[in-house]
Formats: sequence, structure tokens, C-alpha cells
Amino acid sequence: SQQGEEDPQALSIQEGENATMNCSYKTSINNLQWYRQNSGRGLVHLILIRSNEREKHSGRLRVTLDTSKKSSSLLITASRAADTASYFCATSKNTDKLIFGTGTRLQVFP
Amino acid sequence: GAGVSQSPRYKVTKRGQDVTLRCDPISSHATLYWYQQALGQGPEFLTYFNYEAQPDKSGLPSDRFSAERPEGSISTLTIQRTEQRDSAMYRCASSPGRQFNNEQFFGPGTRLTVL
Repeated sequence: SQQGEEDPQALSIQEGENATMNCSYKTSINNLQWYRQNSGRGLVHLILIRSNEREKHSGRLRVTLDTSKKSSSLLITASRAADTASYFCATSKNTDKLIFGTGTRLQVFP
Repeated sequence: GAGVSQSPRYKVTKRGQDVTLRCDPISSHATLYWYQQALGQGPEFLTYFNYEAQPDKSGLPSDRFSAERPEGSISTLTIQRTEQRDSAMYRCASSPGRQFNNEQFFGPGTRLTVL
């Protein structure tokens, strides 16, 4: 079963716009990660945020985490057509396994 | 190797046949994971190995599913008596270990179709 839900399920924007995706999860966590999956390819790790962190940046990515609301958001600024992909949040607790959300399909039009 | 590799990339089989999927992790990585991903869904955990040990196989959906990593490197996932509901993408991932905060490196997956 999936740990969390992502919102929206699908998002279409123009190049240069920002994209925001949200993830909600159900149980307490040690960290939350975001992964990208391009069509027909594997998942690529984007960023990890620990449960004691509230915000993290990596290039054009900004992740926030609100453990009181059990939610996280991923912001991609100045989007590019190459950002077109599915984005998944994944949580882990005291075990090594990742529990993935349902994913957001992002389409960036040139 | 440079990344995680999986073989075959595609497998079509008839219901009732056994299949074995292979994963070659990044050579220095201690931990190896198997996930099942249905179309339009996120990956779901099946099992993982820490070297040869298999601490958690709670995600294996039935006793028809088994996994091995006998020498702590290459791993195989075997599905016996396949059923149509086993059709999915099977993804393998590896990581250096928990001290590296569990970032996982994924292979390209094996697309299994059971007819």
C-alpha cells in the first residue's frame, strides 16, 4: 500500500513557470525524499529532507516539510521542457524501505 | 559498475510459468531493494538485502515470490507460477547503507507481462 498521496495527480504548465507538487503521508518519518521518473526510465533521486528540517534547496528545487501536518511540497522554479516527468515523494522511518506516494505527472510545454 | 542494471528489460511469459529477474547493484553498495510498480502508481516495497541478509521481506505479496542475494552482490527475484496480476514493472535499487540517509539508486526496471 502507498504511504501517501500526491496532489495534484497531473499538472501542465508552460516553460518558465513554477511547478508546485504536494505530498501527504500517514505515519511519522525519519526523512522524506523526492524522486523523478522520466517516461520509460528509472527513478532518479532529487532531494532528501530530514524530519528535523523544514526547508531545503537544491538548484531550482525547493522542498518544504511540515511534520505537524504530515505534508511536504516540491517547488520547481523556472521549469523547462526537460522537467516533464512523474514526481514521487518517498518516506522512510526506522527501516531501510521507502514508502512511495502515488506521484504527480508534470508536463512542461515549450 | 557505473549504475544499477537489471535484466531482462522486458519479459513476456505465460500464466503458470516461473520467471527470474536479475539485478546488478552498484558494486560498493551494501543494501539492495526490490520494488513492484503498477502502471500509474508509485513503487511498492517487496524486500531488501543488507549484504546477504534479508532483514525484511514483508512486501512480498505471496509465497510465489522469493529473492536471493547469495554473495552479497547480484540479486535475483523469482516469481513462481506467474499470474496475470503479477504483470508490473519490477525495480531494483541499491544504496551504500543507512548511514548515507538511505538515498537509493534505481535501475531501469524489468517490465513483466504475464499473458
